[in-house]
Amino acid sequence: GDSVTQMEGPVTLSEEAFLTINCTYTATGYPSLFWYVQYPGEGLQLLLKATKADDKGSNKGFEATYRKETTSFHLEKGSVQVSDSAVYFCALSDPSAGGTSYGKLTFGQGTILTVHP
Amino acid sequence: DAGITQSPRHKVTETGTPVTLRCHQTENHRYMYWYRQDPGHGLRLIHYSYGVKDTDKGEVSDGYSVSRSKTEDFLLTLESATSSQTSVYFCAIRTGTGGYNEQFFGPGTRLTVL
Repeated sequence: GDSVTQMEGPVTLSEEAFLTINCTYTATGYPSLFWYVQYPGEGLQLLLKATKADDKGSNKGFEATYRKETTSFHLEKGSVQVSDSAVYFCALSDPSAGGTSYGKLTFGQGTILTVHP
Repeated sequence: DAGITQSPRHKVTETGTPVTLRCHQTENHRYMYWYRQDPGHGLRLIHYSYGVKDTDKGEVSDGYSVSRSKTEDFLLTLESATSSQTSVYFCAIRTGTGGYNEQFFGPGTRLTVL
């Protein structure tokens, strides 16, 4: 079945440092890929997305490129801020899962990011 | 804002009691989902609905049931709560079309079973 693997956390950085959170996936078809962010005490928010190979999703200074050859969707940001402290989830939606399963999300385990001033 | 509310936001209950969580949407989306979030597991799908009275099981459905009698409401019931069901529960709606199967999430319900 489909699966998503994220790098082990937690990740602790100083403000303005470069961020990479690794995400790799396994899917039977050609999935859509997502990064969600969860701030303390809140629900998940969609951060960015990509639907086909070589697509780059971007939002709020974060970027991720859909790499089919390495089955990866790593999240990057050039200069993190304290306000970026949150839990980040990589997820996929596999359109080959047909019928009513279409559109279900499979999540990674989440990576906790803490940014210090 | 996708217009999703969950109630209650917090609940403490005792083992063996029934519990119902409610998810309400204001935008008439067809697909709705219930997840639970536990440390080290990310989010895991409990049940989902693809229309009024149309529901199906997710990967962790044991001990849970759902109902959807109208488009805007999706209820999750724990018939007899156990301590292993202590978790944060999130409802989501699917808003994407075609390949954009993104979901929007509610604020969550923190459930503690003593």
